[in-house]
Amino acid sequence: DTEVTQTPKHLVMGMTNKKSLKCEQHMGHRAMYWYKQKAKKPPELMFVYSYEKLSINESVPSRFSPECPNSSLLNLHLHALQPEDSALYLCASSHGTGNPYEQYFGPGTRLTVT
Amino acid sequence: RKEVEQDPGPFNVPEGATVAFNCTYSNSASQSFFWYRQDCRKEPKLLMSVYSSGNEDGRFTAQLNRASQYISLLIRDSKLSDSATYLCVVNYGMDSSYKLIFGSGTRLLVRP
Repeated sequence: DTEVTQTPKHLVMGMTNKKSLKCEQHMGHRAMYWYKQKAKKPPELMFVYSYEKLSINESVPSRFSPECPNSSLLNLHLHALQPEDSALYLCASSHGTGNPYEQYFGPGTRLTVT
Repeated sequence: RKEVEQDPGPFNVPEGATVAFNCTYSNSASQSFFWYRQDCRKEPKLLMSVYSSGNEDGRFTAQLNRASQYISLLIRDSKLSDSATYLCVVNYGMDSSYKLIFGSGTRLLVRP
């Protein structure tokens, strides 16, 4: 089973709101990722957590704040977003050993900032 | 030069056709290579990893040429359900094991 779940599926928020995206996997994967994907573009990496520690931050603005409460969960906290942050936010996970690079994606949260 | 380059297509082929996609990558230290498919408004799904010796999964065959930094995907006997965008994906390099670089994708349309 290669299932990654994400909630909510859709989110509309104003520029002054605070919201959170959630991601969960029960495959025993030790690396988890957040990506942002705009229409007709490939996914862009935002953050990587490896063994529950933040290992990569791709110079993402501080209005995006990731959190990894445990090895199965990954959150993305959103605050004071801009309309240009509207996109599909994808979570992915991969093994920490063996072939750590095969990433499995969740269905995404489609975010609209008004 | 983009780190991973693909022909954007679209490739418009009839059912039953054989179609090939190519991809080049710029980082010679890259270690792992993949093809993902992405349907419209859905998440990318891992189609196959690409190994040095080449590998096959049913109607899909992937090849890797490290010397030329070139990856290919061949789809035989195309089905309508193969219509999607195919993303060539490369691991960034030895110092950034978890970082994948995605090509912009090649769109495939299979017509009846």
